[in-house]
Amino acid sequence: DAGVIQSPRHEVTEMGQEVTLRCKPISGHNSLFWYRQTMMRGLELLIYFNNNVPIDDSGMPEDRFSAKMPNASFSTLKIQPSEPRDSAVYFCASRDGGPQETQYFGPGTRLLVL
Amino acid sequence: DQQVKQNSPSLSVQEGRISILNCDYTNSMFDYFLWYKKYPAEGPTFLISISSIKDKNEDGRFTVFLNKSAKHLSLHIVPSQPGDSAVYFCAATPTGNQFYFGTGTSLTVIP
Repeated sequence: DAGVIQSPRHEVTEMGQEVTLRCKPISGHNSLFWYRQTMMRGLELLIYFNNNVPIDDSGMPEDRFSAKMPNASFSTLKIQPSEPRDSAVYFCASRDGGPQETQYFGPGTRLLVL
Repeated sequence: DQQVKQNSPSLSVQEGRISILNCDYTNSMFDYFLWYKKYPAEGPTFLISISSIKDKNEDGRFTVFLNKSAKHLSLHIVPSQPGDSAVYFCAATPTGNQFYFGTGTSLTVIP
């Protein structure tokens, strides 16, 4: 299995632009998580989906952030408009089964907003 | 308002010695704790976990200890190897879905 796939791996954009991050979870996994990593706050959960349905988006920082999961094999995290403070590494993770099953992380997307 | 704290940003240990990574939490509702390991340019990978009904879990060279009264957990690596050099994240959850991570500790194992 290829593992969790994220694209792009790196993104540099200017403030105000729309940014779309993509994730392909491991086939057969029923839960998907989006995280953001910063030096100050570590890894923060933004949103998670169960069977393609958003369950908890309380970690999404602002209305500028939105996430979708149109099917079991694809999810997007969109930032519109982007701001310099959004610069971080964004990780997607997927899991098969219940809460104590392992989450498998993708390699992350490093976002820099100028 | 970090609910999971790793107060040591970095740690250096000689190969063969013990590495001890520490983690503190504030939420008494947390009942499941995990350690993840992260290499540069890769995502975190699961290392070891412990349920709140236990105070110790061991997997090979890795042992996690949980002290619920002190709201403290630690990861012991014995013996430490150069390949263990990575960033280690502590995580905790009250539900199994909402995970709270620390800021990480960068471990360097010196050959």
